[in-house]
Amino acid sequence: GIQVEQSPPDLILQEGANSTLRCNFSDSVNNLQWFHQNPWGQLINLFYIPSGTKQNGRLSATTVATERYSLLYISSSQTTDSGVYFCAVDTGTASKLTFGTGTRLQVTL
Amino acid sequence: DGGITQSPKYLFRKEGQNVTLSCEQNLNHDAMYWYRQDPGQGLRLIYYSQIVNDFQKGDIAEGYSVSREKKESFPLTVTSAQKNPTAFYLCASTNRFQGNTEAFFGQGTRLTVV
Repeated sequence: GIQVEQSPPDLILQEGANSTLRCNFSDSVNNLQWFHQNPWGQLINLFYIPSGTKQNGRLSATTVATERYSLLYISSSQTTDSGVYFCAVDTGTASKLTFGTGTRLQVTL
Repeated sequence: DGGITQSPKYLFRKEGQNVTLSCEQNLNHDAMYWYRQDPGQGLRLIYYSQIVNDFQKGDIAEGYSVSREKKESFPLTVTSAQKNPTAFYLCASTNRFQGNTEAFFGQGTRLTVV
């Protein structure tokens, strides 16, 4: 099956810093989503981005489907950005998602 | 508010017991999914259902069972055959028959075997 790799696995930032999270996938995908898992475990939808670039406030994402990667940009990070960020891909068979192992982000004061 | 409701939030199971986790959605989505998350890991697919009265095994279906009698509901039973059931369980749904297949998740159920 498809492999999804995220990097870096862990990231510590000071408040106000910027960061880039990367998601590589091993095969063609129909769709790609980025999620933020908060400390209580809830998965919060950030982006639904099979291709192209989207922005939502301090966050933006770019997916280059032909090169099989996606990037999540976090600017001016805040402590509330802490948590685990997951990339998940849908290969088109019943819209089942395959998840990466996540990037754990800690934003400190 | 439209969304996915999972209950209970916390569940404790004794060895040898079956337990059922509830998942209800009012998004009018056709497809529903169950995922399992172990500490420090991503999510893995247990079962999914694309339409009422039909469901398929995912990657780790052994020891689990599901039903889909109503569009809104997709309960998951963790049977005594599941050797390591302690995990975080997340239910999701998508509106896959209308183009946009964005998945939305419930708040999860933490299951612990005691």
